[in-house]
Amino acid sequence: AQKVTQAQTEISVVEKEDVTLDCVYETRDTTYYLFWYKQPPSGELVFLIRRNSFDEQNEISGRYSWNFQKSTSSFNFTITASQVVDSAVYFCALSEADQGGKLIFGQGTELSVKP
Amino acid sequence: DAGVIQSPRHEVTEMGQEVTLRCKPISGHDYLFWYRQTMMRGLELLIYFNNNVPIDDSGMPEDRFSAKMPNASFSTLKIQPSEPRDSAVYFCASSPPLPDTQYFGPGTRLTVL
Repeated sequence: AQKVTQAQTEISVVEKEDVTLDCVYETRDTTYYLFWYKQPPSGELVFLIRRNSFDEQNEISGRYSWNFQKSTSSFNFTITASQVVDSAVYFCALSEADQGGKLIFGQGTELSVKP
Repeated sequence: DAGVIQSPRHEVTEMGQEVTLRCKPISGHDYLFWYRQTMMRGLELLIYFNNNVPIDDSGMPEDRFSAKMPNASFSTLKIQPSEPRDSAVYFCASSPPLPDTQYFGPGTRLTVL
């Protein structure tokens, strides 16, 4: 069965610290997709990144970077030099190729960045 | 381009009343999804459509919930009769042909008293 685990419920850091949000997934499919979404206090869900199971290249976008490791079934998200505006709940999600578009979400990690 | 549009943004109703949530997907997207977010269960898929046809409604909690997509630019999620445990944020999302990214609307916060 598919499952996404975000073990960190809450993380609190001081501005300019680096922070890593962990995501571990379970799937029996060989073809699947992994996502990160951000939910700021205003409540909307903002897409950050999508990765497919055949592409293990790490990705960097500004202060954001993602580390995908199939060997450990992990897709971790790092924010470098965090800012107050990064405060939000971050969700990791999994979509399996044979399950249509169904997204399985983790429980989310609430990140608080203090000035 | 406009994103996914949902209305109303907030809805407060009394137990037993009918509630209708509305969604307009991004133009050109073939897939439309309805999710529910609660503290207890997190984000869960209720139903999704492909080209206006319901594909998987296994997440719909019970017969009180129904969803329709009469055309490519409009979908509704109806709860009749509503109950306090239906209180949640309901998100609509749309996507180009799969596999692709789902883009979410701002959500409707439903409170059933």
